[in-house]
Amino acid sequence: DAKTTQPPSMDCAEGRAANLPCNHSTISGNEYVYWYRQIHSQGPQYIIHGLKNNETNEMASLIITEDRKSSTLILPHATLRDTAVYYCIVGDNLFFGTGTRLTVIP
Amino acid sequence: EAQVTQNPRYLITVTGKKLTVTCSQNMNHEYMSWYRQDPGLGLRQIYYSMNVEVTDKGDVPEGYKVSRKEKRNFPLILESPSPNQTSLYFCASSLLAGVRETQYFGPGTRLLVL
Repeated sequence: DAKTTQPPSMDCAEGRAANLPCNHSTISGNEYVYWYRQIHSQGPQYIIHGLKNNETNEMASLIITEDRKSSTLILPHATLRDTAVYYCIVGDNLFFGTGTRLTVIP
Repeated sequence: EAQVTQNPRYLITVTGKKLTVTCSQNMNHEYMSWYRQDPGLGLRQIYYSMNVEVTDKGDVPEGYKVSRKEKRNFPLILESPSPNQTSLYFCASSLLAGVRETQYFGPGTRLLVL
């Protein structure tokens, strides 16, 4: 399974869009991209996943580049409750790295 | 309510005293797994189970045992706990064997081994 690279931390102003990048340059053709988040030592929570088309659900949007080597998770209107560690995962073994700690600032 | 439950949520024990952390899911999921989370290391998979009576090692299985006698339960057993097993543990389940399926996580068990 491919590995991912994410920035260790990001800040976002409340009400603005949070754009969280993820690089997965070694992704293979049939590997999905998953995003989970973990709020303060609670169990990780599934957000969204996709293969090559952009995806949107009630929580977020997922934009995957055409070459599939990177993706961006978009939280359209970040709230304080979105402060969490966000994990980008590629492949089916759900290898969680260290993720991006997103802090939403009032 | 669909959920994954773990017990206990918090546990302090001493080196060498056997303990079991229970995990139960009410969603009829086939796939279950255990993770540990340590600062700076993210979540690491300990063991997983594709179905009843089928278990396999994850990335960090040393010092742990599991069993899957029933579909809903997947206990984690530490036969002789050591201080390096102090960690936050999560149980997770998904409908099928981890392939493109959303994983549902339990609330976590914080273990301190003295």
